[in-house]
Amino acid sequence: GEDVEQSLFLSVREGDSSVINCTYTDSSSTYLYWYKQEPGAGLQLLTYIFSNMDMKQDQRLTVLLNKKDKHLSLRIADTQTGDSAIYFCAERKAAGNKLTFGGGTRVLVKP
Amino acid sequence: GAGVSQTPSNKVTEKGKYVELRCDPISGHTALYWYRQSLGQGPEFLIYFQGTGAADDSGLPNDRFFAVRPEGSVSTLKIQRTERGDSAVYLCASSSNSGVSEAFFGQGTRLTVV
Repeated sequence: GEDVEQSLFLSVREGDSSVINCTYTDSSSTYLYWYKQEPGAGLQLLTYIFSNMDMKQDQRLTVLLNKKDKHLSLRIADTQTGDSAIYFCAERKAAGNKLTFGGGTRVLVKP
Repeated sequence: GAGVSQTPSNKVTEKGKYVELRCDPISGHTALYWYRQSLGQGPEFLIYFQGTGAADDSGLPNDRFFAVRPEGSVSTLKIQRTERGDSAVYLCASSSNSGVSEAFFGQGTRLTVV
């Protein structure tokens, strides 16, 4: 969706950290999500963050939220070849339950 | 079943035909969502059900698209007079309530209109 934007592609070496960035436009967004999509598979929720939080850490994943700049990032530590996939950020607005997705960032992990 | 099930997994139809896409949500999930994902893009919201009723159908592109969930479980997305531009992967998701609880996605139905 045009309200949520992501870079198209990221290449990273195995063992390095990956950082995927996302910008959104709606300041009333309440929750922001990161989904992973592997070929032929459905969307898998990786993590989410409330809009009143700055950071959330979950094992190898760290989400940073800069609400002033409407910028969201996902850091994957010690990136593995199994992390190769398309990553989508999504926002949920204060009113309603639908998610608005970005166009996805394709992450390629090289051995 | 353990997850959200969508059938068929693939559907090829001729322009102008009518198609139905089925979604079996996770048992007990009251919220059900339909999204459409075109090639190289993120999913776009179509419609959201809470129980049997469509709580938000603002994403349906036009009146050729219709969805039902008569018993609050299985949902069917219906597309009349299909057009080539309808070709996409149609994703269904369900969640236990309308809150932040995780929405589980099915693997989708790939619709190709020729």
